[in-house]
Amino acid sequence: EIVMTQSPATLSVSPGERATLSCRASQSVYNSLAWFQQKPGQAPRLLIYGVSTRATGIPARFSGTGSGTEFILAISSLQSEDSAVYYCHQYNHWPSYTFGQGTKLEIK
Amino acid sequence: QVQLVESGGGLVRPGGSLRLSCAASGFPFSDHYMTWMRQAPGRGLEWVSYISGNGESIYYADSVKGRFTISRDSARNSLYLQMNRLRPEDTALYYCAAAILSLKGNPLFDSWGQGTLVTVSS
Repeated sequence: EIVMTQSPATLSVSPGERATLSCRASQSVYNSLAWFQQKPGQAPRLLIYGVSTRATGIPARFSGTGSGTEFILAISSLQSEDSAVYYCHQYNHWPSYTFGQGTKLEIK
Repeated sequence: QVQLVESGGGLVRPGGSLRLSCAASGFPFSDHYMTWMRQAPGRGLEWVSYISGNGESIYYADSVKGRFTISRDSARNSLYLQMNRLRPEDTALYYCAAAILSLKGNPLFDSWGQGTLVTVSS
């Protein structure tokens, strides 16, 4: 099983600033890496797939980079509505898909 | 607009059974892979089972193999999960999700329902 490790577990950032969330895979997932956002009481929402492609309706403030085993989700010009838990997800190793444990982003 | 609405969760004793349902709309149901994912309290997301659009390819996580059965009904645009011999560790929020995006390679489950809570406890 591919283990996805996210850091930090919790991140507190001021409005208007930039947040950087990290995700490491225990082995290469090539470019089959996605990011989901989950707010309390809501379903996970796809933000990014294929490492860097934004899903429909996702603002350009969200960007993804990386390759192989190291990935980054950056969120610029943070807004209060960005407060959520963010999960990275590998969909390279079918059918054993896995998710990271999540990074909780708090807006100060 | 894609909509996935789960139902059927509840409180059940260890060893009991439940059947989850997911009503799908807004996309050609029989063309897309579907999945059940779950999220235990305070834990991350875990895949439970997948089923192909025509129902011919089915996969189960080792933790539920032999106890859970996934199925789909294209006439009703519905996905199901029959859960037998339930254990306390099956307690979780169960999500129905669909692989709507047309990607090369493996399916990505990009559209999710709101989930239905299953609690296994005596």
